Amino acid sequence: AQRVTQPEKLLSVFKGAPVELKCNYSYSGSPELFWYVQYSRQRLQLLLRHISRESIKGFTADLNKGETSFHLKKPFAQEEDSAMYYCALLYGSSNTGKLIFGQGTTLQVKP
Amino acid sequence: DTAVSQTPKYLVTQMGNDKSIKCEQNLGHDTMYWYKQDSKKFLKIMFSYNNKELIINETVPNRFSPKSPDKAHLNLHINSLELGDSAVYFCASSPNVGAGTGELFFGEGSRLTVL
Repeated sequence: AQRVTQPEKLLSVFKGAPVELKCNYSYSGSPELFWYVQYSRQRLQLLLRHISRESIKGFTADLNKGETSFHLKKPFAQEEDSAMYYCALLYGSSNTGKLIFGQGTTLQVKP
Repeated sequence: DTAVSQTPKYLVTQMGNDKSIKCEQNLGHDTMYWYKQDSKKFLKIMFSYNNKELIINETVPNRFSPKSPDKAHLNLHINSLELGDSAVYFCASSPNVGAGTGELFFGEGSRLTVL
């Protein structure tokens, strides 16, 4: 069955430290993966998608099919990065495509 | 203001009652969703509609009945509320059929508390 797993409920780092939010997925097909972010008192929104291979707000994520992982990384965390981060997997046909989410990881960046 | 809007934001009610949450999007999107976020922040898909047609129904109890009067609205009606229904319910929309490019636009959430 399709599944997204984020093993850490909370990740706490100091400002300037590197950050890695872990995400593993289970899917027999070709995965499309995403990271969503929810800042305090804001809506859940798309942060980045693996097919774009982009860096957003200093964050990058590389799809590793061998390890079935899509970890989110940032070399130097900022206080404004504190938020809830969800990894998500898109699967299914174009008509019935579903976006399923992991359990979420709260990132806390301390000053 | 273009967005996905949900009402009410907060809802406190007794077990056994029936309640509705409304959702509207003015983004011109074809597909709308309901997600449930439980107390552990786990976000789980419940339903999706494409242009008023039910596409996804994720083994949700029959007490939950979505209704889409037009493609800009997707309401969620819950009968005989139970304690376990307490959660934050998120409405979302996407510009493409199904989940399209994977970019969903979320509402602010409706926190339902069942006493």
